[in-house]
Amino acid sequence: DVQLLESGGGLVQPGGSLRLSCASSGFRFRDYAMAWVRQAPGKGLQWVSTISGSGGTTHYADLVKGRFTVSRDFSNTYLQLTNLRAEDTAVYYCAKDSFPTLTGWLGTWGQGTLVTVSS
Amino acid sequence: SSELTQDPAVSVALGQTVRITCQGDILSSYSATWYQQKPGQAPIFLIYFDKERPSGVPDRFSGSRSGNKASLTITGALAEDEGDYYCLSHDSTSDRLIFGGGTKMAVL
Repeated sequence: DVQLLESGGGLVQPGGSLRLSCASSGFRFRDYAMAWVRQAPGKGLQWVSTISGSGGTTHYADLVKGRFTVSRDFSNTYLQLTNLRAEDTAVYYCAKDSFPTLTGWLGTWGQGTLVTVSS
Repeated sequence: SSELTQDPAVSVALGQTVRITCQGDILSSYSATWYQQKPGQAPIFLIYFDKERPSGVPDRFSGSRSGNKASLTITGALAEDEGDYYCLSHDSTSDRLIFGGGTKMAVL
């Protein structure tokens, strides 16, 4: 079974940093791009970032470019969040793309991890 | 514009057919993907490449695209189909993914 499990969320002050992790199992990890999608409370889905299967290519939404960094290792995907703002408060989902490069065909999602930015 | 616009809410009588639309200039060039999300749950991959269904998705869900508009049709809606539906497109020029604002569907 393909499984994704996010962790690392929590309460952080404005301007602070956090590192989210997504542990993957049940598939050949390097064959698939991995994405982060977030959802603010009561709001819609917003794509944040995608990293290619090789890890050599990264993509970011304009809203987070320069503040967030996506990376991956053998079976985990990470999202480093820095200079956090109140508007970054959201559930952050990790999702598996269908190809090694970005397509948006996100077939499997984790359960999400909540990031709350507040003083 | 790279925005995708969806109606905020639709409703359908149990067993009837409903169409959820997604409109944006980007859809003139790129295909649409659809996701379903139920309260408190992660999204589910519903339709890709405008009209293709991943394995396991019931055939009452179908998709289409024409011009700058994509549609998700649910034929014979069930109570379990209630939830939020999001369209998405991949802007290959900028390599960005763009979600629509979502449509909340109620089954009456």
